[in-house]
Amino acid sequence: GNSVTQMEGPVTLSEEAFLTINCTYTATGYPSLFWYVQYPGEGLQLLLKATKADDKGSNKGFEATYRKETTSFHLEKGSVQVSDSAVYFCALSVRSTLTFGKGTMLLVSP
Amino acid sequence: DGGITQSPKYLFRKEGQNVTLSCEQNLNHDAMYWYRQDPGQGLRLIYYSQIVNDFQKGDIAEGYSVSREKKESFPLTVTSAQKNPTAFYLCASTIAGAGNTGELFFGEGSRLTVL
Repeated sequence: GNSVTQMEGPVTLSEEAFLTINCTYTATGYPSLFWYVQYPGEGLQLLLKATKADDKGSNKGFEATYRKETTSFHLEKGSVQVSDSAVYFCALSVRSTLTFGKGTMLLVSP
Repeated sequence: DGGITQSPKYLFRKEGQNVTLSCEQNLNHDAMYWYRQDPGQGLRLIYYSQIVNDFQKGDIAEGYSVSREKKESFPLTVTSAQKNPTAFYLCASTIAGAGNTGELFFGEGSRLTVL
């Protein structure tokens, strides 16, 4: 079956620090990969996506590269802000079925 | 504005009562989903519907029911049979078929608390 594993949180950083949230996956077929973000008390929003190997998704300073050889889709940002504090979910989609990781909470302090 | 509207945002229920959560979308999406979110457990799929008048059970359907009488609407009923209903419930939708990119559009959620 399909599964997504992401690092447990919380990840605690100071403003302007470098962020990496690891995500690896197992999938049958050729998945599309996503990062969603959930701000406190809200639903999920798509942050970025990649649909094939070696694609790089990017948005709002966040990036992730689809690595088929390591089955990974790690999320990175060069300089985090307090406003980036949220829960981040890695997800994959195969044939319109979305599978989520358990989420990683990011806390950024001033 | 196009989007997904969930109501109510907060709901309190006594044990033994059924409660219905509303989900309406004006995105003209064919497929709609209900997820349950608990701390540390991510999102778990309750039910989904790819087309009007049809729906399928997800991973944790026991104690829940849905209907899909209109394309725009996919209400979720949490029944008294659901043993631990206190949770955050999220509704989502997407294009079905050839146009699907895998991206889901989410509502803002409904937080149900059983007293």
